[in-house]
Amino acid sequence: EDQVTQSPEALRLQEGESSSLNCSYTVSGLRGLFWYRQDPGKGPEFLFTLYSAGEEKEKERLKATLTKKESFLHITAPKPEDSATYLCAAGDGGFKTIFGAGTRLFVKA
Amino acid sequence: GAVVSQHPSRVICKSGTSVKIECRSLDFQATTMFWYRQFPKQSLMLMATSNEGSKATYEQGVEKDKFLINHASLTLSTLTVTSAHPEDSSFYICSAQDSDTQYFGPGTRLTVL
Repeated sequence: EDQVTQSPEALRLQEGESSSLNCSYTVSGLRGLFWYRQDPGKGPEFLFTLYSAGEEKEKERLKATLTKKESFLHITAPKPEDSATYLCAAGDGGFKTIFGAGTRLFVKA
Repeated sequence: GAVVSQHPSRVICKSGTSVKIECRSLDFQATTMFWYRQFPKQSLMLMATSNEGSKATYEQGVEKDKFLINHASLTLSTLTVTSAHPEDSSFYICSAQDSDTQYFGPGTRLTVL
């Protein structure tokens, strides 16, 4: 069964304390691995799409990487405005997208 | 690019009335759009997949007669919550697919009194 698992459920960091969020996936025929950011009361905001193992993408303090079983979202020197829920999703070969439960990130000044 | 809008952003209605929510892709055409429901501090729950020009595909447990979906054009899908009840109160989010990626609208907060 296709599945996406994110860990940890919640992560509390001090400003400037770098860390990584994990997304483990089991999907038949991965079409793409997606990362989104969601702020409270808003729709998810698209961050990255990764297509193949070894691929990396960066945007400001965020870098997403992909292996055959996992994806990581690395946050370098986070700021309080990076606080949000980060969602990972995997698209299968049948054009279905499976979302993880998300990681709630809190960055304290 | 890849902007999706939703209207209204929030709506309050009386029990028994119907509410229509619009989802528009502003700068691209979307053959496929999706409707999600999200409860507080929970992840997205897919309700249905909306395909332009054909009937929507509903997820198991979602009543198609209660949540009517119309995808009349390549840039517009609507969700109508019929005979709304307080338990239908939730945050509804649409997304539109552009190539491999889903782009989400800002969401609609529905409160049924």
